[in-house]
Amino acid sequence: AQSVTQLDSHVSVSEGTPVLLRCNYSSSYSPSLFWYVQHPNKGLQLLLKYTSAATLVKGINGFEAEFKKSETSFHLTKPSAHMSDAAEYFCVVSDLSGNTGKLIFGQGTTLQVKP
Amino acid sequence: KAGVTQTPRYLIKTRGQQVTLSCSPISGHRSVSWYQQTPGQGLQFLFEYFSETQRNKGNFPGRFSGRQFSNSRSEMNVSTLELGDSALYLCASRQVPSYNEQFFGPGTRLTVL
Repeated sequence: AQSVTQLDSHVSVSEGTPVLLRCNYSSSYSPSLFWYVQHPNKGLQLLLKYTSAATLVKGINGFEAEFKKSETSFHLTKPSAHMSDAAEYFCVVSDLSGNTGKLIFGQGTTLQVKP
Repeated sequence: KAGVTQTPRYLIKTRGQQVTLSCSPISGHRSVSWYQQTPGQGLQFLFEYFSETQRNKGNFPGRFSGRQFSNSRSEMNVSTLELGDSALYLCASRQVPSYNEQFFGPGTRLTVL
């Protein structure tokens, strides 16, 4: 069975400092992994995706994530936080075949950015 | 290209009633999935439709159902509403089921009183 664990429910950083949101996954197959962001009262926006190509994935708004199979991790990073980055972030896994529409979400990490 | 649209955005119902939510996918997208988001359970998969057929279903009671029309628009229905059905219901679309990336709508906020 596939699962995702986000290791921090809440992360607080100061504006201009690095962001690290941690995610571990469990999958019987080669996984497809995603990070989505949700701003208050909004839907989910895709930040980036890993689908077995390059292990370092670059996304929108300066975010990137590195797929580490040996550590079963897919941590999200950003060199410098901006106030607009404050939101809920979800790490998500899907099976590589794509034959199922089922995405499995982590519990989410709330990112707080302090001025 | 317009994104995924969901109507209505907000809905208030009472226990025992039924509700229908609507989702229009991105033009050209033929697969529609539905998710429920609650503070306690997080985001959970409800079901996916492709070519008017349900392809996959999550672990929800039979009170939750859906359908898809020939133009790919989808509806989900919840009958005999319970307080615990209060949630944000999100719809996502993708071109075809073999394509991994899904695009989400803004959601319908359902409150059951």
